[in-house]
Amino acid sequence: GAGVSQTPSNKVTEKGKYVELRCDPISGHTALYWYRQSLGQGPEFLIYFQGTGAADDSGLPNDRFFAVRPEGSVSTLKIQRTERGDSAVYLCASSPSGSLAEQYFGPGTRLTVT
Amino acid sequence: KNEVEQSPQNLTAQEGEFITINCSYSVGISALHWLQQHPGGGIVSLFMLSSGKKKHGRLIATINIQEKHSSLHITASHPRDSAVYICAVRNGSQGNLIFGKGTKLSVKP
Repeated sequence: GAGVSQTPSNKVTEKGKYVELRCDPISGHTALYWYRQSLGQGPEFLIYFQGTGAADDSGLPNDRFFAVRPEGSVSTLKIQRTERGDSAVYLCASSPSGSLAEQYFGPGTRLTVT
Repeated sequence: KNEVEQSPQNLTAQEGEFITINCSYSVGISALHWLQQHPGGGIVSLFMLSSGKKKHGRLIATINIQEKHSSLHITASHPRDSAVYICAVRNGSQGNLIFGKGTKLSVKP
């Protein structure tokens, strides 16, 4: 079956612009996670959805970052007023349920802010 | 100090060698994951374990909860094993993972 997909695969934007990154989880997975991976580092947690609600958004770095999952399936990560430091690979993962289920990762979106 | 520490950071091995990658963590966990990341970013889950030992093909993962330590072993390593191996822990009841920085493995033919 289809895995987790993310679009776009690459995004180049100018400093100050707004971007949206999309994640399509595996069908039926209730839990969805966003992570950010900077060059040479391990991924860092951003936000976790259980269904439609954000169960934990403690990893969002500041209020320029926001994510939604209105119907409990597709999620969009939104970044306002992008900064060069936002450049990273944004990874999405989904799992059948939140706590002890294995997570399945998407290929990531590479964001470059110039 | 990072909550999840991996060693070594980089590892070069000859084909056929036995490889060990170590992971130590400082937080309470409900599970520990070993992940493989190939160039281009795709992450694949290798193991999820909360106690003891798991084996899959040439890969073996062990965890010692008391010592807060896990190891990933690769037997009879092969150039196709070259990748970044990441240890990640699941913190308590929440689902999100805390990641180590990864170990970059290069297996030479």
